[in-house]
Amino acid sequence: IVLTQFPGTLSLSPGERATLSCRASQSVASSYLAWYQQKPGQAPRLLIYYATSRATGIPDRFSGSGSGTDFTLTISRLEPEDFAMYYCQQYGSSPVPFGGGTKVEIK
Amino acid sequence: EVQLVESGGGLVQPGRSLRLSCAASGFTFDDYAMHWVRQAPGKGLEWVAGISWNGGSIGYADSVKGRFTISRDNAKNSVYLQMNSLRAEDTALYYCAKDRGGGSSGWTPFHYWGQGTLVTVSS
Repeated sequence: IVLTQFPGTLSLSPGERATLSCRASQSVASSYLAWYQQKPGQAPRLLIYYATSRATGIPDRFSGSGSGTDFTLTISRLEPEDFAMYYCQQYGSSPVPFGGGTKVEIK
Repeated sequence: EVQLVESGGGLVQPGRSLRLSCAASGFTFDDYAMHWVRQAPGKGLEWVAGISWNGGSIGYADSVKGRFTISRDNAKNSVYLQMNSLRAEDTALYYCAKDRGGGSSGWTPFHYWGQGTLVTVSS
């Protein structure tokens, strides 16, 4: 499975809504789709798994949706700390692909 | 507190070998699958290999199959990545990551990550 993320870069202001997309080349079984956030110089952090479930400690402004081949990560109101790279990942069996990432930058 | 500490990175010539280690603490290590994920400078994430809680299930990315070997020692709470026949394109920060499950029925998301160890392959 190949995961394609778009847009490559999202330029938004704090308080705005961010919508990030991840499209799979084949249907993702059992919605085995996760989202990660990565800030410069830091390891990735798990945000969402099973397409819609928030990981422990993740604020409710982050939400995931989708099934099959099309998935979305939504940040309802951007906080300053949300400007970062975001990656989707399909898990379940080997190999475990990641998408190419979407950079959310301050406008 | 879960901690994953990678070590063993460095500068190595093409064609040579390197062994990475990841020391885990703060959880019952032999209950969980573990993974190696790499990130080339300025690039995205690439899954390298995964191993189930008992080593019974192992998977590799096509880019490293036949050259890299993942293993674990549950008595030492450690996972390893033996990297042979290294190439320039293997240059990356290598992260160790903890699966949410044991891995016997497939992989689940990676909910803890180390800070990585840098491997540079260059002559």
